[in-house]
Amino acid sequence: SQQGEEDPQALSIQEGENATMNCSYKTSINNLQWYRQNSGRGLVHLILIRSNEREKHSGRLRVTLDTSKKSSSLLITASRAADTASYFCATHTGRRALTFGSGTRLQVQP
Amino acid sequence: GAVVSQHPSRVICKSGTSVKIECRSLDFQATTMFWYRQFPKKSLMLMATSNEGSKATYEQGVEKDKFLINHASLTLSTLTVTSAHPEDSSFYICSALTGGNYNEQFFGPGTRLTVL
Repeated sequence: SQQGEEDPQALSIQEGENATMNCSYKTSINNLQWYRQNSGRGLVHLILIRSNEREKHSGRLRVTLDTSKKSSSLLITASRAADTASYFCATHTGRRALTFGSGTRLQVQP
Repeated sequence: GAVVSQHPSRVICKSGTSVKIECRSLDFQATTMFWYRQFPKKSLMLMATSNEGSKATYEQGVEKDKFLINHASLTLSTLTVTSAHPEDSSFYICSALTGGNYNEQFFGPGTRLTVL
């Protein structure tokens, strides 16, 4: 299977709730990144966490990384309808290209 | 952040024709660019690595004669889909490396190709 599997595949929540998405990967990484993609649009870089970091925050985003379990999570707090999008994790290994996870489609109901 | 553009954003063509997609880094030089393909509701799959001044490196299963890549300058890479067929219909996204220490890539907005 692919480097980078995400769960859930789809998530529907109410505005104001928190959304948690998980990503697992198989090989050693240099860093892991999270991206957002609105339907039919390009990617927006959200946050990068290095392999020697365990947690990182950016505004309403909180990312954790557990290299022993080869997993990461993205938490969006106090979600808004505008957060509706697909979210992808991407890992950087020895090669320079990124390997993307399967993605989580988040729907935030107003 | 750095800006990457793609042109066109959307193209519809007939089977058998060739389509060229441009990827430009607008405010930085990129010796390396990547081309990804994305099917509806699926993830991005790397197609090839485009290196300025040298041949592209293709991923396994990607036909190099079908998807021609030219990286003629430090700010431009082109992907040409030759003799397009309906199964080539997809969303094509490029990205460019800034050369930083942590593999910072900036992505273009994507090109939606529809082959009739």
